[in-house]
Amino acid sequence: DVKVTQSSRYLVKRTGEKVFLECVQDMDHENMFWYRQDPGLGLRLIYFSYDVKMKEKGDIPEGYSVSREKKERFSLILESASTNQTSMYLCASSYRREQFFGPGTRLTVL
Amino acid sequence: QKEVEQNSGPLSVPEGAIASLNCTYSDRGSQSFFWYRQYSGKSPELIMFIYSNGDKEDGRFTAQLNKASQYVSLLIRDSQPSDSATYLCAPREPGNQFYFGTGTSLTVIP
Repeated sequence: DVKVTQSSRYLVKRTGEKVFLECVQDMDHENMFWYRQDPGLGLRLIYFSYDVKMKEKGDIPEGYSVSREKKERFSLILESASTNQTSMYLCASSYRREQFFGPGTRLTVL
Repeated sequence: QKEVEQNSGPLSVPEGAIASLNCTYSDRGSQSFFWYRQYSGKSPELIMFIYSNGDKEDGRFTAQLNKASQYVSLLIRDSQPSDSATYLCAPREPGNQFYFGTGTSLTVIP
């Protein structure tokens, strides 16, 4: 059965902290994605990766970076968290056509 | 900027009726089109996808695609209260990127 897991369901951080969001998939998928979802704005792509150590900017990469050292793991890093990064973060992986989502991390930055 | 337009709703239908969800997209290069269902507080889950013009049926769900009109729709027959959710339309680009509409909120009234 397809599985994408994220390290935390809920996270509370303070402004200026460095934040790591981890995503792991067990399907040997090449492609992995990080989105954020905000009311009225829908899902917006932050970064994606199509192979180990490869990354591409999505629509809103500012304030974020990513790391993909192993095929199954894709990390999203907030170098210095700000309140406008409070959001639901969704990780996804895909192979060919279908994209599968993790459960999401609700991040609150105070 | 690639755009996906969906009527945000809320769309309300009585139990047993047909729910019709519509989506238009801007990028003619999009090759396949996905419909996701998202319950409140949960991550999106794939319902079905379509890549050829015409209709594709899967149980109570029918996806319709008209590439010339850049239009995709999802019909839900015999709507059930458990179908109450937000439905996301997501065209997929040749480079494996997906881009999402903001979704249509559907409520099925018992």
